Amino acid sequence: AQTVTQSQPEMSVQEAETVTLSCTYDTSESNYYLFWYKQPPSRQMILVIRQEAYKQQNATENRFSVNFQKAAKSFSLKISDSQLGDTAMYFCAFMKLRDDKIIFGKGTRLHILP
Amino acid sequence: DARVTQTPRHKVTEMGQEVTMRCQPILGHNTVFWYRQTMMQGLELLAYFRNRAPLDDSGMPKDRFSAEMPDATLATLKIQPSEPRDSAVYFCASGLRPLQFFGPGTRLTVL
Repeated sequence: AQTVTQSQPEMSVQEAETVTLSCTYDTSESNYYLFWYKQPPSRQMILVIRQEAYKQQNATENRFSVNFQKAAKSFSLKISDSQLGDTAMYFCAFMKLRDDKIIFGKGTRLHILP
Repeated sequence: DARVTQTPRHKVTEMGQEVTMRCQPILGHNTVFWYRQTMMQGLELLAYFRNRAPLDDSGMPKDRFSAEMPDATLATLKIQPSEPRDSAVYFCASGLRPLQFFGPGTRLTVL
């Protein structure tokens, strides 16, 4: 069975700093998808970034980028120039290539401090 | 700007009452999911449909929960009878593999 582990329950950083959220996963699959979702205080779940395991290049979306280490089964999220609006719970998630279901980690609560 | 809609956004009810939550998926999406989020358990998948057919409801307490998709524009999650432990935020999501888009959630409080 696949598992997703986020080892940092909570983090705080100053506005404009760079922060990295950690995620590891366990799977015997060779191809799959990885995601980071953001849940701000409004509780709306928002897809931040997606990575296909068969792509070596790390995905980037504006200030958000990932460090995908397939051999280590690690998928960290880097937020550059953090903003107050980045304050949220962040979920790392996994999906098998031919599945519909997403497996979510427990989340990391991120506070951006003014 | 297509989005998943859920009604009601908030529901307060008394133990033993029936609760029905509704979801309108994004047009063209072929999968619909129901999740429950609590502080203790995090996000749990309750049930999901592909092309309106139920594929997995193993996460759902069968004795009191039921999920249906009577047509492509409506998915429902029903709890009968409701219990205080059902208090949570219930999310609907729709998607096309590998993407899922979430609705705003229904916050349910059972007294």
